[in-house]
Amino acid sequence: RKEVEQDPGPFNVPEGATVAFNCTYSNSASQSFFWYRQDCRKEPKLLMSVYSSGNEDGRFTAQLNRASQYISLLIRDSKLSDSATYLCVVNSFLRGGYNKLIFGAGTRLAVHP
Amino acid sequence: NAGVTQTPKFRVLKTGQSMTLLCAQDMNHEYMYWYRQDPGMGLRLIHYSVGEGTTAKGEVPDGYNVSRLKKQNFLLGLESAAPSQTSVYFCASGDPVAYYEQYFGPGTRLTVT
Repeated sequence: RKEVEQDPGPFNVPEGATVAFNCTYSNSASQSFFWYRQDCRKEPKLLMSVYSSGNEDGRFTAQLNRASQYISLLIRDSKLSDSATYLCVVNSFLRGGYNKLIFGAGTRLAVHP
Repeated sequence: NAGVTQTPKFRVLKTGQSMTLLCAQDMNHEYMYWYRQDPGMGLRLIHYSVGEGTTAKGEVPDGYNVSRLKKQNFLLGLESAAPSQTSVYFCASGDPVAYYEQYFGPGTRLTVT
C-alpha cells in the first residue's frame, strides 16, 4: 500500500467551478501535511500547509481529518491558471530523526474555458 | 538569485554508461535532496544531505552515489546506468526549520537505452 494515495484524475472542470481533491495517508505518526503544485514538466512548489483546524488561502481551502487519515483541498472559482497536478504531501522521519516528505503521485486538474 | 539549478536538463545514456548530475543552490540551505519521479508514482527520495560533507540513503538509493563537498553543491552519480533508471530527477534544498518547504530545481530528464 502506498503511504500517500490520491485519485490521479484528471479532473476536467469549467472555469468558475469548485473542485475538491482527496488524499489518504497510512502513517498515523505523520504530524504535518501539505499540498504542493506541479505544472506540466516543471518542478513541484509548495502551495499551502494543512492545519488541524482547516485553513484557507484565497480560493484554496485545506482540511485535515486525523481520525480518518484524510486530507482534502478545495479550489473555488477555478481559473485556467489552476490547471496543474496537485501533490498531497505528508511528513515522515529519517534515521537520526530528520523529517522527510512523502509525496503522493498527484491529482491532475484541467480547467477549460 | 537563481535558486536551485540542475545540469544537464536532458541526457540519453546507453546501458552501462556513467554520468553525474549536478545540483547547485544559492540560498545557503543546509539540507539538500535528490528525488526521482516516475509516472504514477510520487517523488521518491534517493539520497539526502543534512550538511556539507554528509550524505545518507533515502528510499531508493541502489545504483546511485552522491557527494556534498561544498554546501551549495550536491552531486548524484550513476556508475553503471540501467533502463530502470530512466526517470526525471529533481534536486531540492531546504532549511532545517522550515523543512516542509523544499525548493526544487527544474529537473533532469534521463533516458537509459
